Amino acid sequence: KAGVTQTPRYLIKTRGQQVTLSCSPISGHRSVSWYQQTPGQGLQFLFEYFSETQRNKGNFPGRFSGRQFSNSRSEMNVSTLELGDSALYLCASSPGLAGGPTTGELFFGEGSRLTVL
Amino acid sequence: AQSVSQHNHHVILSEAASLELGCNYSYGGTVNLFWYVQYPGQHLQLLLKYFSGDPLVKGIKGFEAEFIKSKFSFNLRKPSVQWSDTAEYFCAVNGVSGGSYIPTFGRGTSLIVHP
Repeated sequence: KAGVTQTPRYLIKTRGQQVTLSCSPISGHRSVSWYQQTPGQGLQFLFEYFSETQRNKGNFPGRFSGRQFSNSRSEMNVSTLELGDSALYLCASSPGLAGGPTTGELFFGEGSRLTVL
Repeated sequence: AQSVSQHNHHVILSEAASLELGCNYSYGGTVNLFWYVQYPGQHLQLLLKYFSGDPLVKGIKGFEAEFIKSKFSFNLRKPSVQWSDTAEYFCAVNGVSGGSYIPTFGRGTSLIVHP
């Protein structure tokens, strides 16, 4: 089974620009979640999507948004980039269950490393 | 709000030494607990997990962790580390509520094992 695929792997942007990151989950996984990883803050939860609906959201400003498509692929967007947005953005997929709690076991991609100049 | 605390940020050991990494969490309800590992240049991967049942869980590569509910702890252990265990280790908690979860990760522990 192919793993979680994230594109692009590396990108450089300047302040004020926007960026879109893409994530293809493991086949059959319906839950996709996004995380920001920085040396100072560690791994922080951004949001989770299940069946094209945002199910949970972390404590990030509205500049951070996402969506999920019918094939479970997901994108996240960061608008009006700030220097502090420089980070490794990780996507994780999980089988997910429609009718009840998920176990939450996550399968991570290799991440998209964003540098904001 | 739930939180996770990993007590050791950097650990340096020699091969064959024993390892214990501390993890404490705060959350009032049902939790699922995880340890993830990130080897140099690789993606995060699951090391072991606890959902319910036997509080002593075994994972890959000889790692184990014990869930002590009264102490809100989920410490990771390995009796004898190897050089290949050099990696970053993350404890994670999923508070289960209303059919979904918000995962919370600890800051991570960087483990260096000298050959």
